[in-house]
Amino acid sequence: AQKVTQAQTEISVVEKEDVTLDCVYETRDTTYYLFWYKQPPSGELVFLIRRNSFDEQNEISGRYSWNFQKSTSSFNFTITASQVVDSAVYFCALSGMDSNYQLIWGAGTKLIIKP
Amino acid sequence: GAGVSQSPSNKVTEKGKDVELRCDPISGHTALYWYRQRLGQGLEFLIYFQGNSAPDKSGLPSDRFSAERTGESVSTLTIQRTQQEDSAVYLCASSLALGAANQPQHFGDGTRLSIL
Repeated sequence: AQKVTQAQTEISVVEKEDVTLDCVYETRDTTYYLFWYKQPPSGELVFLIRRNSFDEQNEISGRYSWNFQKSTSSFNFTITASQVVDSAVYFCALSGMDSNYQLIWGAGTKLIIKP
Repeated sequence: GAGVSQSPSNKVTEKGKDVELRCDPISGHTALYWYRQRLGQGLEFLIYFQGNSAPDKSGLPSDRFSAERTGESVSTLTIQRTQQEDSAVYLCASSLALGAANQPQHFGDGTRLSIL
């Protein structure tokens, strides 16, 4: 069975600090996809990144970076020099053949950036 | 429109009434999903449509919930005899076809449903 665990329910940091959101997944698939979504207080879910299981290269997009490690089944998300606008709930999700390619969602991590 | 459109954005109704929520997906997106998100919680999958295939209704919580989609266009989610526990934000998402491409889902702003 597939499962996504975001153990951090809520994280609070001061602006400009770096912060890492953890995501650990379980799957029997050899081919699968991992996603991060952002849900700001306004409510809309925004797609951030998709990574397939064959590509373990880390990705950087501005202040955002993602560390994919198959050895530990983790796909962690780091925000560098956090800003108040980064405050949101962040969801990690997984899909693969085992779930008929439907998204299996983590419970989300609420990130609070204090000015 | 450029994105997924949902209506109404807010709905307040009395317990026992029926409600109908609408989702207009991104043009060309053959896959459409409905989710429920209770306050402070994650997403709960309800139902999924893919083209003309039979929908995956495995997430519907009871027979009071149903959804329809005509072809690859608008979908409606209907909740009959609403209960207070149905209060939540109902999110719709669409994506290109599933399969190896596994495209990301694009979400609407949701319908906030409040049952009095």
